[in-house]
Amino acid sequence: DAGITQSPRYKITETGRQVTLMCHQTWSHSYMFWYRQDLGHGLRLIYYSAAADITDKGEVPDGYVVSRSKTENFPLTLESATRSQTSVYFCASTNTDGGVFEQYFGPGTRLTVT
Amino acid sequence: AQSVTQLDSHVSVSEGTPVLLRCNYSSSYSPSLFWYVQHPNKGLQLLLKYTSAATLVKGINGFEAEFKKSETSFHLTKPSAHMSDAAEYFCVVSGGSYIPTFGRGTSLIVHP
Repeated sequence: DAGITQSPRYKITETGRQVTLMCHQTWSHSYMFWYRQDLGHGLRLIYYSAAADITDKGEVPDGYVVSRSKTENFPLTLESATRSQTSVYFCASTNTDGGVFEQYFGPGTRLTVT
Repeated sequence: AQSVTQLDSHVSVSEGTPVLLRCNYSSSYSPSLFWYVQHPNKGLQLLLKYTSAATLVKGINGFEAEFKKSETSFHLTKPSAHMSDAAEYFCVVSGGSYIPTFGRGTSLIVHP
């Protein structure tokens, strides 16, 4: 199926564990993003990537690691999960046709850290 | 530099009455502007976008928005609200950068 998918959709983990959230897009968009969404904070950018092997920090990168070895995948890893990382995580990719940076979002991953 | 301000955190309307969600922006470049909708426990869906063509933009589900450069505004409207319109709405600006800036969101509440 064409589009952008995230897995898992729901995850419960314990403090201190490593967790990886997966993101896959089928359009070959160059740009990809990870956001977290929390009540009262809206969407906050964690990391972004302009192309394979090119990543950069966003607004709230601490405690997260990303990689992008292939254009279509952009996994987000929480190295040692903390309760403050309980959130809903959204992956997005950007279509740059015509110079308009329209974002397409995945369905989200709801992560609970106990 | 770019920024976006959604002027209301909550808007409450009755079903069948008009909807107005307000958004002001700033951008050092000619901006692209977007409205996204997020229904409860769902992802974000594009409602409409402005890309320097027509200033009045029509989107899905009867929504439209007007780009007003002199007022630096991009307000979202709908003539008649439906219960299914109850959701969170985000105004987004992208100008000269592929990193968009999101507003804090406006929660639309629709009363029967």
